Amino acid sequence: GENVEQHPSTLSVQEGDSAVIKCTYSDSASNYFPWYKQELGKGPQLIIDIRSNVGEKKDQRIAVTLNKTAKHFSLHITETQPEDSAVYFCAASTYSSASKIIFGSGTRLSIRP
Amino acid sequence: DTEVTQTPKHLVMGMTNKKSLKCEQHMGHRAMYWYKQKAKKPPELMFVYSYEKLSINESVPSRFSPECPNSSLLNLHLHALQPEDSALYLCASSQDPGVGEKLFFGSGTQLSVL
Repeated sequence: GENVEQHPSTLSVQEGDSAVIKCTYSDSASNYFPWYKQELGKGPQLIIDIRSNVGEKKDQRIAVTLNKTAKHFSLHITETQPEDSAVYFCAASTYSSASKIIFGSGTRLSIRP
Repeated sequence: DTEVTQTPKHLVMGMTNKKSLKCEQHMGHRAMYWYKQKAKKPPELMFVYSYEKLSINESVPSRFSPECPNSSLLNLHLHALQPEDSALYLCASSQDPGVGEKLFFGSGTQLSVL
């Protein structure tokens, strides 16, 4: 089955700098890659997603890139702000897995003032 | 309304108790999910309901019993739980079941089993 690896597990960046989180997946049939942000005491919230027919997607300060050949995808946050501090999960899913998405292990992002 | 509402927010129960977790959404979503999340871990899928029918059970012990009374409500009945079942239980919904559907999560029920 699908396996998603996520790095780093913790990340601390200065406010205003950029943050990058990387994930790799094992199943070449995976075709949907969402990113979720989980703040303390809340459930995960979808922040951006990308499908396998697209190489890059941007939404204001957040961007995701996908390299299907290498089977990896990354989340880029520019001009980080204190409210970006949270745990971020990447995930992958395939048509063969129906409604199941496989989450990465998570990255705890801290923004230093 | 883009919210998934879960009650209660916190629950403490003994191993002989019976309790229920509730989840509600009014977005017209036709798929609803239960996830279990341990501290510092990603969510783990437990059950999926598709058009009010149970479509996926991830080999969850029978002490967890899901129920979908209608398209807006999802319950999780708990009985004879073990301390290792203590976790955050998350409900989610999506417009339709299947790949590529955006999941909307509730804030969860933090469960402690004594």
